[in-house]
Amino acid sequence: DTGVSQDPRHKITKRGQNVTFRCDPISEHNRLYWYRQTLGQGPEFLTYFQNEAQLEKSRLLSDRFSAERPKGSFSTLEIQRTEQGDSAMYLCASSFQDGPNEQFFGPGTRLTVL
Amino acid sequence: GNSVTQMEGPVTLSEEAFLTINCTYTATGYPSLFWYVQYPGEGLQLLLKATKADDKGSNKGFEATYRKETTSFHLEKGSVQVSDSAVYFCALSDSDYKLSFGAGTTVTVRA
Repeated sequence: DTGVSQDPRHKITKRGQNVTFRCDPISEHNRLYWYRQTLGQGPEFLTYFQNEAQLEKSRLLSDRFSAERPKGSFSTLEIQRTEQGDSAMYLCASSFQDGPNEQFFGPGTRLTVL
Repeated sequence: GNSVTQMEGPVTLSEEAFLTINCTYTATGYPSLFWYVQYPGEGLQLLLKATKADDKGSNKGFEATYRKETTSFHLEKGSVQVSDSAVYFCALSDSDYKLSFGAGTTVTVRA
């Protein structure tokens, strides 16, 4: 399977703990995106990378959130000092740089903050 | 800013019925438009897309036409099956590349 993969699929943590999620994009894709989806809503954009450069961050991405893509391949999203409001599905997607921006999504990581 | 408004659900249909899900958008430029589908227990999948005005995207019997004059991209299928039960998301992407999604419409097809 050469699709987008995410790890872990589920994460339960206590408020105040730090969590880190990983995304492995489709290997030929040089763009990588992170979205957050809460129940009953569509995904909301968080940030995106072109190769290793982080080109845009949403205002939804507070100072407690940080994302990296150190070698332009996989990416990590870290949330520090988690809050109950961080509970959501975190989605990763990837695409080619050129073309109509057809993004391919991973299965997501479901975060529950107790 | 960009935004997408789609028909609220849930929508419940009988098999072989006609399905329409309305989607309208607001964008500053000339976006590409998409329909994504999320089947139960699965991730988001691209269903179809259109990149310019009057383009028609189609896949798996679903169709949607990019209407610039009405800023709409309504999804249609002439005869739905139980396997079409899913959540459908309308989305747009402009020169910023990020996708802006609607809230999603849950469709349930009964046998």
